[in-house]
Amino acid sequence: GAVVSQHPSRVICKSGTSVKIECRSLDFQATTMFWYRQFPKQSLMLMATSNEGSKATYEQGVEKDKFLINHASLTLSTLTVTSAHPEDSSFYICSARDLGGRNTEAFFGQGTRLTVV
Amino acid sequence: AQSVTQPDIHITVSEGASLELRCNYSYGATPYLFWYVQSPGQGLQLLLKYFSGDTLVQGIKGFEAEFKRSQSSFNLRKPSVHWSDAAEYFCAVGDDKLIFGTGTRLQVFP
Repeated sequence: GAVVSQHPSRVICKSGTSVKIECRSLDFQATTMFWYRQFPKQSLMLMATSNEGSKATYEQGVEKDKFLINHASLTLSTLTVTSAHPEDSSFYICSARDLGGRNTEAFFGQGTRLTVV
Repeated sequence: AQSVTQPDIHITVSEGASLELRCNYSYGATPYLFWYVQSPGQGLQLLLKYFSGDTLVQGIKGFEAEFKRSQSSFNLRKPSVHWSDAAEYFCAVGDDKLIFGTGTRLQVFP
């Protein structure tokens, strides 16, 4: 299947700093990528839809100024957590779907565990 | 409203026993349905998916699931569980954007 690479896999940052997470589709193009957040022992919640060449669409309750999304190319979307706080500590996962056609599933990255201290 | 319900938060089975994880959904259109598995601290691995056609879907690692429209269900089954199957299992519905259930944690005893 297609590969989605997420980097870094783990990051620890100080409170008040910003952290950038990258999501790359390695062997396919994706006009749309999705960013999810998962709190410990909970399910994944969609944060935003990243659209290549246009603004991201955020789900209700997600602060767009805090979680900056950039989708500059068909293979890369980035999520920047700005002015991070301990409550932003979570597992962040991206997904992307191959442009190639219908009836294809979204492929997930391996996730990024963010710890804000 | 679109939603996915996994009624069982935690299931414990003995190795070699059969397994069924329940999933019910509410979705306006014909659903695309998925089962994912997540090991601790890891991303999601797709076990199987249903888009259309045969309602009994075969997946990886010996898993299968059956789509029952009348019951709005997509239960995951495996005839004989292995210790390596211990993980968190998520049912999801959607197309590009996925709505996930709350997950079922599977524990396997030797």
